[in-house]
This record gives sequence, structure tokens and C-alpha cells, in this order.
Amino acid sequence: DAKTTQPTSMDCAEGRAANLPCNHSTISGNEYVYWYRQIHSQGPQYIIHGLKNNETNEMASLIITEDRKSSTLILPHATLRDTAVYYCIVRVAHVSAAGNKLTFGGGTRVLVKP
Amino acid sequence: SAVISQKPSRDICQRGTSLTIQCQVDSQVTMMFWYRQQPGQSLTLIATANQGSEATYESGFVIDKFPISRPNLTFSTLTVSNMSPEDSSIYLCSVAGRMNTEAFFGQGTRLTVV
Repeated sequence: DAKTTQPTSMDCAEGRAANLPCNHSTISGNEYVYWYRQIHSQGPQYIIHGLKNNETNEMASLIITEDRKSSTLILPHATLRDTAVYYCIVRVAHVSAAGNKLTFGGGTRVLVKP
Repeated sequence: SAVISQKPSRDICQRGTSLTIQCQVDSQVTMMFWYRQQPGQSLTLIATANQGSEATYESGFVIDKFPISRPNLTFSTLTVSNMSPEDSSIYLCSVAGRMNTEAFFGQGTRLTVV
């Protein structure tokens, strides 16, 4: 799986949008971009994934650049409960359960402040 | 989504002893994954557990130290053998979702070796 690069940490204000960048310049054509987060003392939680089109769900939006070498996770209205470590992961297409063998990088530690 | 229960949630163990961690899933899954998260670090995959066959271990992890059982499609155990303080970590179980599109994680077992 391709490697990803994320900032180590970032702060954001409660109620504002949080934009989390991720670089994945060596991504292959059949690899998806996934985002997970880990709130303190909990297991990681799936947020969203995409291949090349922008995606949105009830938790977040994912913007992938046209060359697919980077992406941004957007939390539209950050709350204090969004404080967590956010992991950007690149993995192969989900044709089998083995694709869920994940390689975690360091992630971005996001602190939402009142 | 899959509901994953891990037991115990935490334990404090004496060095030289072994601890078996249980992972129960509320649905049948083909693969189960075991991760380790050392203090302040990201998650590292230990092994993949397939029902009816030997587990597949990642580089740096061996069966003698981390034996895994997978007796059926909803259950797996990970044993941490002959423990030392360096084994103090959070151990997490993970499974793929029904469409293999995302992974679900248990809450983890926080192990402290003294």
C-alpha cells in the first residue's frame, strides 16, 4: 500500500470547519483513500473513503485532487467530540476482506477548542 | 456494521506470564485482524486470523510469542506469551465489514506488564 504523509497535529475552533490534509503521491490506480479516527481510549472508527470523486457522508467530506496525489478530509462543523487522532490510509480495492489489513501511519492529532 | 467485543478490557499482569485476549463478533467474518498499539504510537498489524488455517504473521511477530486461535467464523483469541514490560500495549481486534469496504475495531485490551 502507498505511504501517506499527514501533519502531526492541528488545532481547530469549535463550530468551524476542520480541514485535514493528506499526501499520498505514490498512490496506485486501484488504491482507495480511507480516513479513520481514534478517539482517546477507543478503537479506530471508519469515517469515509473514496477513489477519485469527492465523497460526502453524515460525518465528513473527502476531497481528492485530480491527480489523486493528495486529499483533504473536511469536518464541516467541528465539535469537542471530534478531538481525536485522524488517520489517512491508502489501501487496495475492496475485492476481498484481506484489503482491510490496514497500514497506519502517525496520523494527525486534532484538538478542537471551545 | 459489525459489533466486536473484546475481553478483558484491561489487565495488569506479572512478567513471565501469559494472557489470552478474546474477540467475539456478532456476525460471521472470513478474516480477523489483530493489532498492537504501543503507548503513544500508531497501530501495528500483528497477524491475520483465518478460520480453519494458521494465522499469517507480519514481519517482527512470531507465533511462539503471539499464538492465535480461530475456532469459528465469529471468534478468535490472541495470546501474549511470556510477557515482559515491553509488551505493555493496547491490543485490538478488527474485522472487515460485510462489503469489505471498511474495517471495524473492538475497543481494545489495555495490557500492563509489571
